Amino acid sequence: GIQVEQSPPDLILQEGANSTLRCNFSDSVNNLQWFHQNPWGQLINLFYIPSGTKQNGRLSATTVATERYSLLYISSSQTTDSGVYFCAVTSNTGKLIFGQGTTLQVKP
Amino acid sequence: GAGVSQSPRYKVAKRGQDVALRCDPISGHVSLFWYQQALGQGPEFLTYFQNEAQLDKSGLPSDRFFAERPEGSVSTLKIQRTQQEDSAVYLCASREGSALSVLRSRHFNQPQHFGDGTRLSIL
Repeated sequence: GIQVEQSPPDLILQEGANSTLRCNFSDSVNNLQWFHQNPWGQLINLFYIPSGTKQNGRLSATTVATERYSLLYISSSQTTDSGVYFCAVTSNTGKLIFGQGTTLQVKP
Repeated sequence: GAGVSQSPRYKVAKRGQDVALRCDPISGHVSLFWYQQALGQGPEFLTYFQNEAQLDKSGLPSDRFFAERPEGSVSTLKIQRTQQEDSAVYLCASREGSALSVLRSRHFNQPQHFGDGTRLSIL
């Protein structure tokens, strides 16, 4: 099956810093989503991005489907950005296959 | 409400008991998914419904797990004779279109929307 790998596994930032999270996937996929799981366990949709670049405030994402990777950029990080960031790809049957996540801690 | 609703939010059960977890998807959403998230891991697929039809149950870990969506809206995930390894967060997600419509890109923006999950602890 499709393998999804995220890096780095853990990241500690000082408030205000920028960061890039990476997601590699092993096979061609139909779609890709980025999620933020907050400390209360809620999975929040960030981006639905099968290809190209999207921006939403301080966050942006780029997926290069032909090279099988996606990047999530966080600029001017805030303590509320802390949590786990997951990338998930959609299989042909529509189910999501998740990576192991990147745990981000933003210190004040 | 506007989002996916799951209940209960927390469930504690003794080993060997049966539990039932409920999911109310976004109104009108055709597709419904159940995922299991163990501590420190990403969610893993359990089963998929298109309307009332269970089209994929390949992720259910054993025959103690059973899911239904009899009227094509609310879904229930039942776990019989619970064991400690069943302790996890169970997440439900819904999507507007079917798998085929996504593949055909008739509805290009087709994210899955997740509920807050049910945290199940088996003692």
